[in-house]
Amino acid sequence: EDKVVQSPLSLVVHEGDTVTLNCSYEVTNFRSLLWYKQEKKAPTFLFMLTSSGIEKKSGRLSSILDKKELSSILNITATQTGDSAIYLCAVALTGGGNKLTFGTGTQLKVEL
Amino acid sequence: EAQVTQNPRYLITVTGKKLTVTCSQNMNHEYMSWYRQDPGLGLRQIYYSMNVEVTDKGDVPEGYKVSRKEKRNFPLILESPSPNQTSLYFCASSSNDRVATGELFFGEGSRLTVL
Repeated sequence: EDKVVQSPLSLVVHEGDTVTLNCSYEVTNFRSLLWYKQEKKAPTFLFMLTSSGIEKKSGRLSSILDKKELSSILNITATQTGDSAIYLCAVALTGGGNKLTFGTGTQLKVEL
Repeated sequence: EAQVTQNPRYLITVTGKKLTVTCSQNMNHEYMSWYRQDPGLGLRQIYYSMNVEVTDKGDVPEGYKVSRKEKRNFPLILESPSPNQTSLYFCASSSNDRVATGELFFGEGSRLTVL
């Protein structure tokens, strides 16, 4: 059974801290790994990583895919209160349905 | 503005009373899908549609129906809702060139409670 596991489940940091969120996966037919940010509404797309593009960066956020360890990290530097959200990791599989298998998410709270 | 619109956003209903959650996208996307989100279980796919008149089951299709008669609309139908269908539902869409790598555009979500 395909599985995506995120850690930690939740964490609280202070503004300005750097955080690292983890995602590991056990799936057949891996195509890509994605990170989404979910505030109080719809998940929004952050990054997509594939075997040919294992590192992405956008502002204070960056992500790396470790193909050997079947895992990914999402780093957020100089955190702000607006970074408070649930961060979802998902893996896209080849084959029918273009289904995403999601982890349960990491709840991040950034305090002043 | 490019968006995926779901209605209703919130609904409380009773067991057995048929309901439909509508989903509409204005991006001319071929692909549409429904997910449900439950605590500790993450997002799980219910049904998906690769294009008009083409639908298929996801991981948790029991108790749900869908139709795709028009490209922009993908309603989710609960013929006889039960309490275990209490959940947060998301509709998502994507274009054919993006869906294969997993980039989806999500609606705002519909919180359904079945008593």
